[in-house]
Amino acid sequence: QVQLVQSGAEVKKPGASVKVSCKASGYNFTTFYIHWVRQAPGQGLEWMGIINPSGGSSSYAQKFQGRVSMTRDTSTSTVYMELSSLRSDDTAVYHCARALSLGGFDIWGQGTMVTVS
Amino acid sequence: DIQMTQSPSSLSASVGDTVTITCRASQSVSGFLNWYQQKPGKAPNLLIYGASSLQSGVPSRFSGSGSGTDFTLTISSLQPEDFATYFCQQTFNLPRTFGQGTKVDIK
Repeated sequence: QVQLVQSGAEVKKPGASVKVSCKASGYNFTTFYIHWVRQAPGQGLEWMGIINPSGGSSSYAQKFQGRVSMTRDTSTSTVYMELSSLRSDDTAVYHCARALSLGGFDIWGQGTMVTVS
Repeated sequence: DIQMTQSPSSLSASVGDTVTITCRASQSVSGFLNWYQQKPGKAPNLLIYGASSLQSGVPSRFSGSGSGTDFTLTISSLQPEDFATYFCQQTFNLPRTFGQGTKVDIK
């Protein structure tokens, strides 16, 4: 079935980097854009950025510019999100999500808990 | 950035009630408005896209309406499994932005 499967939970120290993977299966990987969204404990949803798996181009929320990088590997149908210079307020669940052509996110990864402490 | 404001932030309702949640955008998003349901510890689930189109597999008691800046999610005949948090999202432009959420709990 169509799914996005993310890598496991991470614990990092302040100032470190984290790289989360999101492996797609069940559909043509290059057909749909992938977004990253995070959710701090007890908080709402925060959009981080988008990557086009076909060409690899990406765009990031201004808040994360200079600290985030989104890449993809078409040979394994996997996208990656790397966040650097981690702070305690980066502690959150990070989700990848597939975007429909009309924009809604129809398939979500299970989430990756990143704890900065 | 387009700001999305939901109201109310929370509400209490009973099984069988009709519930309405509103979402207002700080500028027009045309019809590029989506609604999600999220349960604790789970990823959000797309309910409505394009303001009023029901996502495949979503019960017909969920409906969406609106265009421009004002949108509504209606849940008719609330079921026990509908107690959750609901978010609106605009996909008119980047950055994609979400409302702050509306928690629906049991009265």
